[in-house]
Amino acid sequence: GDSVTQMEGPVTLSEEAFLTINCTYTATGYPSLFWYVQYPGEGLQLLLKATKADDKGSNKGFEATYRKETTSFHLEKGSVQVSDSAVYFCALGAKDTGRRALTFGSGTRLQVQP
Amino acid sequence: DTEVTQTPKHLVMGMTNKKSLKCEQHMGHRAMYWYKQKAKKPPELMFVYSYEKLSINESVPSRFSPECPNSSLLNLHLHALQPEDSALYLCASSQGQGTHEQFFGPGTRLTVL
Repeated sequence: GDSVTQMEGPVTLSEEAFLTINCTYTATGYPSLFWYVQYPGEGLQLLLKATKADDKGSNKGFEATYRKETTSFHLEKGSVQVSDSAVYFCALGAKDTGRRALTFGSGTRLQVQP
Repeated sequence: DTEVTQTPKHLVMGMTNKKSLKCEQHMGHRAMYWYKQKAKKPPELMFVYSYEKLSINESVPSRFSPECPNSSLLNLHLHALQPEDSALYLCASSQGQGTHEQFFGPGTRLTVL
């Protein structure tokens, strides 16, 4: 079945550091890929998406490229801020709807220190 | 309007109570979802409605009863819950079921005493 694997957290960085959160997936066919962010006490917000191989999603300084050859969708940001502290979820949406809507990774907590 | 709203924001209930969670969207989306999220875990899918019909039930106990009165509204009726049902309940909607991105509400924080 479909699955998403994210790097374990928490990830602790100083302000203005470079961020990478790894995400790899297993799926049949060609899924769409998403990054969601969850701030404390809130719901999930869509951060960015990519619907086909080599697509680059970007938003608020975050980027991720859909790499079919490595089945990866790593999240990057060149300079993090304290306000980026949150939990980040990588997710997969299969074109064959099957039994599931989105498949989520386990989440990676990011802590940015001033 | 690109918002999914959920009420109430917080709910405390006893194991014998009956309560309902409400979700609303006005984006014209035809798929709506209920998720349960425990602390430090990803959301777990509970139910999916597609065109106002229940299309996925992830083997959720019958003490949770979903309802979709129209294309904009989604309810989750709760009865005889257990303390382990305490969690954040998230509603989401999407243009269609499957690959389209989902838009989430802020959630209802449920505590069962």
